[in-house]
Amino acid sequence: NAGVTQTPKFQVLKTGQSMTLQCAQDMNHNSMYWYRQDPGMGLRLIYYSASEGTTDKGEVPNGYNVSRLNKREFSLRLESAAPSQTSVYFCASSDLGQGATGELFFGEGSRLTVL
Amino acid sequence: ELKVEQNPLFLSMQEGKNYTIYCNYSTTSDRLYWYRQDPGKSLESLFVLLSNGAVKQEGRLMASLDTKARLSTLHITAAVHDLSATYFCAVVPMDSNYQLIWGAGTKLIIKP
Repeated sequence: NAGVTQTPKFQVLKTGQSMTLQCAQDMNHNSMYWYRQDPGMGLRLIYYSASEGTTDKGEVPNGYNVSRLNKREFSLRLESAAPSQTSVYFCASSDLGQGATGELFFGEGSRLTVL
Repeated sequence: ELKVEQNPLFLSMQEGKNYTIYCNYSTTSDRLYWYRQDPGKSLESLFVLLSNGAVKQEGRLMASLDTKARLSTLHITAAVHDLSATYFCAVVPMDSNYQLIWGAGTKLIIKP
């Protein structure tokens, strides 16, 4: 049972470098999300995609871009990384269809350090 | 402002004791979720509460939802060390299907 798969699990970047975090889900969910979690903190929504072909900003979108490549895949791109983007990034998916619970299923997380 | 407040934020307790974590929220919602996170790990869904008066139980954990009071509780009965983790609640505002509002989390340490 793969569920939600994120890559890479760990990454170290220098300030100004770019990178893309990949996320794929095999649960046929319509909705996908990218969150960040800073040490000792809760989750903050970066971007979400309610369905294939749509994306919307969350609470902290600045410095990030996303692509909903297809129903399975939702990527997060940092164009010019900054130390403030050092965090753990979680991808999640959910089913918001009729009768669904809407609970989120999370990937294992991607730990990003920007020097 | 949409807010979800958990209380307490930190709890250290002895094995065998009972305790309750509270989750208050400021918006109208009929969907509330509880998640568990172990250190360095991802979030795991514990309970989904979808209506007023909903009560769910799993082992030593029981969650309830009072939508009129905008309050959910997570009750721990006869705590054991394995329940040490951070617990998050999250709500979905009635006017939004997509943006969960998260509490800050309650870090629970259970001492043998």
